[in-house]
Amino acid sequence: EAGVAQSPRYKIIEKRQSVAFWCNPISGHATLYWYQQILGQGPKLLIQFQNNGVVDDSQLPKDRFSAERLKGVDSTLKIQPAKLEDSAVYLCASSLDHGGLNTEAFFGQGTRLTVV
Amino acid sequence: LAKTTQPISMDSYEGQEVNITCSHNNIATNDYITWYQQFPSQGPRFIIQGYKTKVTNEVASLFIPADRKSSTLSLPRVSLSDTAVYYCLVGSRGASGSARQLTFGSGTQLTVLP
Repeated sequence: EAGVAQSPRYKIIEKRQSVAFWCNPISGHATLYWYQQILGQGPKLLIQFQNNGVVDDSQLPKDRFSAERLKGVDSTLKIQPAKLEDSAVYLCASSLDHGGLNTEAFFGQGTRLTVV
Repeated sequence: LAKTTQPISMDSYEGQEVNITCSHNNIATNDYITWYQQFPSQGPRFIIQGYKTKVTNEVASLFIPADRKSSTLSLPRVSLSDTAVYYCLVGSRGASGSARQLTFGSGTQLTVLP
């Protein structure tokens, strides 16, 4: 089956500019996650959707980050304005989650953002 | 969510069995234990998940003692390609029965030497 698709793979922007990342989860997966992974650290959850509703966005810097999941399928993550400390890999993941706990999450390859 | 503690790094040689232990002292009754593997420039990949005792699949085994306060990921006969970061996650369903939350720690960098 097709995996989680993310674009772009790489992005370089100047600070104070805006940027958007796109994620297409595996077909039929109800849950979608966005993570930020800074070099040398584990992934940090930014936002979690179940269908098109937000489950957890407690660690999303809402003054500059926003995310949406249109019709419970694709999702976009936006940063505006970007700061130097936003340089990281942004990972999207999805899981089937039809009520069970044993739900494996599948990750995309990520978008590497460099803010200069 | 239960906090996990893992060694920062481990070295091994090809062909050896590697055991990575994760501590999760405040694991809750409903929590499952899940391990992910991450190679450079890739997203994490699910390895194995368990609740208690022992779970085995084609790539690893997971040992969970009766008190469930720790777990051990066992990789048999590792090869150079097993060099990666391994993450231990503990969690259950989120608030209001929503989808399971996935909280990563810092992970263990496993380096397999020739």
